[in-house]
Amino acid sequence: AQSVTQPDIHITVSEGASLELRCNYSYGATPYLFWYVQSPGQGLQLLLKYFSGDTLVQGIKGFEAEFKRSQSSFNLRKPSVHWSDAAEYFCAVGAGGTSYGKLTFGQGTILTVHP
Amino acid sequence: DTGVSQNPRHKITKRGQNVTFRCDPISEHNRLYWYRQTLGQGPEFLTYFQNEAQLEKSRLLSDRFSAERPKGSFSTLEIQRTEQGDSAMYLCASSETGGVGQPQHFGDGTRLSIL
Repeated sequence: AQSVTQPDIHITVSEGASLELRCNYSYGATPYLFWYVQSPGQGLQLLLKYFSGDTLVQGIKGFEAEFKRSQSSFNLRKPSVHWSDAAEYFCAVGAGGTSYGKLTFGQGTILTVHP
Repeated sequence: DTGVSQNPRHKITKRGQNVTFRCDPISEHNRLYWYRQTLGQGPEFLTYFQNEAQLEKSRLLSDRFSAERPKGSFSTLEIQRTEQGDSAMYLCASSETGGVGQPQHFGDGTRLSIL
C-alpha cells in the first residue's frame, strides 16, 4: 500500500526567504505525486503534479517540486515566500489500477510566515 | 466552471442522530471522491464513484456510512447513529476520467461536530 511522510509538522520562515517542504513516498510502481495547499476552513487547492518526464515540475504561485526516485522524495520549493503563502501543505500520491485516482495524503506541514 | 460545491458547510448534531451531506461536483467530471479529515491530519480516502457506480470503499467507511450518486451527478454521504469519533471535516473532490493523473478538485468541505 502507498504511504506519504511529511517529516516537518510546522515550519516558520521569514517573508522573502526561500522554502523547502519535504515529502517522502512509498509506492510500488511509478508514482503519481501531487502537492496541495489548504487555507483554514477551506478545501484543498492543487499546486502542482508529477507523472513522468522532467523531474522538476512548475506549479502555480511560484512553487516548484523535484521528483527524486532514488530518494523516494518529492520536495516542494519556493525561492521567495510571501505572507500569503501561510497555509497547510499536503503531499499526496495517487493510486492506479482499480483504485484509480485515490489519493493518499501525508500528515501535512503548517507554514508560518513572519514579516 | 463553478467548482465543487458542498452543503452544508457546518453541521452540529447530537450523538446518535443521522446526518446527510451533499456534494455537487464540477459538471463534466465523471469521478467523485469523498475524504475525511480530522484535526492535524491529512485527508483520508472514504469512497469513490465513477459516474453512478461506487467502485471502492475504504475500511474507514463503517456500515453506519452510506454514499450514493444517483444519475452520476451530485452525491450524498449519510452517517447514521453518529458518534463522537465522526467529528471531522468531510471533503468531496471530483475529476475527469482519463487516468490516475487527472487532478482532483476539492470543495470547501462540511465540518461535522458531534455534541
